Amino acid sequence: DQQVKQNSPSLSVQEGRISILNCDYTNSMFDYFLWYKKYPAEGPTFLISISSIKDKNEDGRFTVFLNKSAKHLSLHIVPSQPGDSAVYFCAARANNAGNMLTFGGGTRLMVKP
Amino acid sequence: DVKVTQSSRYLVKRTGEKVFLECVQDMDHENMFWYRQDPGLGLRLIYFSYDVKMKEKGDIPEGYSVSREKKERFSLILESASTNQTSMYLCATRPLQGAARQPQHFGDGTRLSIL
Repeated sequence: DQQVKQNSPSLSVQEGRISILNCDYTNSMFDYFLWYKKYPAEGPTFLISISSIKDKNEDGRFTVFLNKSAKHLSLHIVPSQPGDSAVYFCAARANNAGNMLTFGGGTRLMVKP
Repeated sequence: DVKVTQSSRYLVKRTGEKVFLECVQDMDHENMFWYRQDPGLGLRLIYFSYDVKMKEKGDIPEGYSVSREKKERFSLILESASTNQTSMYLCATRPLQGAARQPQHFGDGTRLSIL
């Protein structure tokens, strides 16, 4: 049973518009969340993170929102650019799991010029 | 800048072979991880290591073992390769200091095919 779920396997967005990638989790012990971006033939690279004591974290065009009551987080990319086209993974760490991350299945974002 | 190097980008092996995947990092990080990535399943943790000669099972350790004889090198071993181990394998590292808020740094992956 997947504890971290990304229910949209793919998303297509026009350049300049907002991209919203969603992630749901079930484990209430998760207290830290990360987003990674992965291009083909490369390893995932860290994008942005959020602690459970916050509900929003912003870094340039990227903002992550956390709704703890709904066990839901989302990544907003504004404005979207063709170079943002990649697979995005949501990951979570439980406060009793030390170094281990649990990843979602990924969402493939395609930004059309 | 963290450099995580996986020895092979592509590898083709036969069923029953013993397969070694190597990962080397240059940042003196204590923590190292092996994941496999499969479509729709994301990244699943196979094994990780806190430090030299230390290892812990992840979510899917069956059919795999690991070796960490030196701090910079973490090897994943498929004892007797099977076709269901065809996958993309990713190595990652992370420093121990400030670990709670440190992201993992990944290598570029090894695409392994078992025939």
